[in-house]
Amino acid sequence: TQLLEQSPQFLSIQEGENLTVYCNSSSVFSSLQWYRQEPGEGPVLLVTVVTGGEVKKLKRLTFQFGDARKDSSLHITAAQPGDTGLYLCAGAPHQGAQKLVFGQGTRLTINP
Amino acid sequence: DVKVTQSSRYLVKRTGEKVFLECVQDMDHENMFWYRQDPGLGLRLIYFSYDVKMKEKGDIPEGYSVSREKKERFSLILESASTNQTSMYLCASSSLSGSTDTQYFGPGTRLTVL
Repeated sequence: TQLLEQSPQFLSIQEGENLTVYCNSSSVFSSLQWYRQEPGEGPVLLVTVVTGGEVKKLKRLTFQFGDARKDSSLHITAAQPGDTGLYLCAGAPHQGAQKLVFGQGTRLTINP
Repeated sequence: DVKVTQSSRYLVKRTGEKVFLECVQDMDHENMFWYRQDPGLGLRLIYFSYDVKMKEKGDIPEGYSVSREKKERFSLILESASTNQTSMYLCASSSLSGSTDTQYFGPGTRLTVL
């Protein structure tokens, strides 16, 4: 069974600080997605990375897929209260997989 | 605007009751999913359906069944609710394609079993 481990599970920082969330596995994934879930809502896709070493930027969010496609990171620069939420990574076990493997999530709180 | 809706946001049931959770998507997606979400455990797949009347067990199917009679609708059934089924239930849908597509989630149903 492929597993994705996220760290940290909880993170509370002040507005304006930088942070990095990690998503690690001992298994190779064909692609990896990052979702954000706000209170009372379902998760919403932020980005998909598919190539080893790929870096994608979404405003102040930078996503990286590890060279070996076993890990990923999400870096937020100058965090804002609107970044508060649960961040989930999800991996596709093989090309064309319809089911995803989800990490346990990182609950991020940005304090004004 | 794509939409996945779930029949209830909050539900309180008693132990032993039969519980129906319904999910409807308007994107003509082939795939539909039921997950449960518990703190520290992330999303765990209960059942997956890739077509009408087709279903696959996920990681935690025990105590649950599903029904997909129409493409847009996927129901989760708790045959005899138990307190350990108290959880947040999320429905999702995605397009069946050669790649792994985005999953679109509903807002969730928070179920409490007393």
